[in-house]
Amino acid sequence: EAQVTQNPRYLITVTGKKLTVTCSQNMNHEYMSWYRQDPGLGLRQIYYSMNVEVTDKGDVPEGYKVSRKEKRNFPLILESPSPNQTSLYFCASSLWGTGSSYNSPLHFGNGTRLTVT
Amino acid sequence: KQEVTQIPAALSVPEGENLVLNCSFTDSAIYNLQWFRQDPGKGLTSLLLIQSSQREQTSGRLNASLDKSSGRSTLYIAASQPGDSATYLCAVRDYGQNFVFGPGTRLSVLP
Repeated sequence: EAQVTQNPRYLITVTGKKLTVTCSQNMNHEYMSWYRQDPGLGLRQIYYSMNVEVTDKGDVPEGYKVSRKEKRNFPLILESPSPNQTSLYFCASSLWGTGSSYNSPLHFGNGTRLTVT
Repeated sequence: KQEVTQIPAALSVPEGENLVLNCSFTDSAIYNLQWFRQDPGKGLTSLLLIQSSQREQTSGRLNASLDKSSGRSTLYIAASQPGDSATYLCAVRDYGQNFVFGPGTRLSVLP
């Protein structure tokens, strides 16, 4: 089954303790992206990647890191989490490139609910 | 910079009504527009994708239209049901192939 898998689904941690949220897709997609969703603020993009070793900042990149060493994986790293990073996080993927990939839909993972105390 | 807005922010209708959700974008340089549904605390499910060369797409009781030149899309839901209650988001794919989302419309269909 084609899917985007995020882990963990729920995470409670303390301020300053480094954590990684994993994202993996099995559709051979070049494009992957991380979003956070907060009440009243909608879906905001953190980072995105157009292919292996190619990443770019979204609208709210501060306090986050990403890496794209393999095509299928796009982990989100919080090196020193703070309470204002408590949020619902989503990973998404799509084809990227030329031709028909322009109209490839965006596929989402089920989300990771992060609480930083 | 591309901006996407959605009107109304929230909508409550009685079961059986036909309804329209609106999505507007500021830059017509897009490859496509996609409509999503999100249930509370859950992930986003893709409903329809309209390519920039298309005028509309249909799936069951859903019909989405696109007027690229005016920067508008509508999602029409026929004969609404309580199970349609959710937040509906639209997103455009710009020429950089990135996706820009609207804030969503929260729909409640009352039995």
